[in-house]
This record gives sequence, structure tokens and C-alpha cells, in this order.
Amino acid sequence: LAKTTQPISMDSYEGQEVNITCSHNNIATNDYITWYQQFPSQGPRFIIQGYKTKVTNEVASLFIPADRKSSTLSLPRVSLSDTAVYYCLVGEETGRRALTFGSGTRLQVQP
Amino acid sequence: EAGVVQSPRYKIIEKKQPVAFWCNPISGHNTLYWYLQNLGQGPELLIRYENEEAVDDSQLPKDRFSAERLKGVDSTLKIQPAELGDSAVYLCASSFGRGVRSYEQYFGPGTRLTVT
Repeated sequence: LAKTTQPISMDSYEGQEVNITCSHNNIATNDYITWYQQFPSQGPRFIIQGYKTKVTNEVASLFIPADRKSSTLSLPRVSLSDTAVYYCLVGEETGRRALTFGSGTRLQVQP
Repeated sequence: EAGVVQSPRYKIIEKKQPVAFWCNPISGHNTLYWYLQNLGQGPELLIRYENEEAVDDSQLPKDRFSAERLKGVDSTLKIQPAELGDSAVYLCASSFGRGVRSYEQYFGPGTRLTVT
């Protein structure tokens, strides 16, 4: 079971690009990386998922280097509404094993 | 399309009382999850259903917690009797498909339980 490590908290300002890096040194060959976002008093929301290289959607980009021992969630030009907790999770491709949420990274965006 | 619906949103009970939470997943989603979330921590899985079958309940404290998913749609999570340490947010989520698609889960707003 791949363990993930991410910063406890990060601060940024509106308009900046934010990169949150997650370490998963013992990721297995058939593991995928998934990121969630959680606003206060709401359930988590799926943001993005990837296996290798780069994945981009309307919300974020996910960069995964060749060795896949880490991944970086990139939020372009954050706004105050991006203040949330961001979770990095690793799960194997069969989906048989449940995702394990850690404590996440608390991102605070200031004006 | 409606999201995952949970009720009630808030519940305050005295210890040793029973409590039940209800979840209606997104239509067509075959997998349903119940999570517990304590303040400042990530969600912890309690039980996962594929259709009406509980495929992972290893983290469910079965001495006081029970769950059911009749007809593979709605689900109920019950605690009896509740303890002070059960105070938390109980989240329901659903997903469609198998494999990595199951990692794209849709969460409800949760039920905040306070046990006094």
C-alpha cells in the first residue's frame, strides 16, 4: 500500500500559481494517483487523476515524473475560492483496495 | 443531475442513544461508500458497497455500527448505542464503474453528529 506524504499547509496569494507536491516513494507499477479538494463543511470533490506524465483538465494539471515517486498538483492563478484542503491518494488499477485519505494539504489563498 | 443526498445534515444526541443516517447516491452509481471524518483529518472508510453487497467493511466497528443498502440504491448507517467518540462528520459517497473509475467518487455534504 503506497504511503503518501504532502505538506500540511501552504499559503498563496490570489492570481499566483500553486503547486502542491505529494511524495509516494513506494508506488506500485499499477497504481494510479488521484487528487481531491475539500471545502469547509462540504464533502471532498474529485479533481484529477493520472498515471504518468501530465494530465490537464479545466480545474488543474497533474504532473507525474517518469519515476512516479511523486506528483504535483498545479492550480493556475488561484482565487480566494481555492482555499481548501487538497488530498493526494494512490490506488491500484483494479479498484479493489479502497482509497486512503491522509490529512491533506491545507491551502490558504489570501487577497 | 442531483448529487449525493444525505440526511439529516446535523444530529445531536445523548450518549447511549441510537442514531441513523440516510444516503441516496447518484442515480446509476453502483458503488456506495460511508466515511467518517474527524476534525482536521481526512475521511476514513467505514464500509463500501458494490450494488447491495458489502465488499469492504473491515473498518466498520460492528459491535455498534451497522449498515444496509437495500435494492442496491439508498443506504442507511446506524449507530447503537452512540458513544462520545462517535462525534464526527459521516460522509456518503458514490461512484460508477470499476477499476480506477471507482476512484472518482462523488460525496454528499455529510451529517455532522454530536454526541453529548
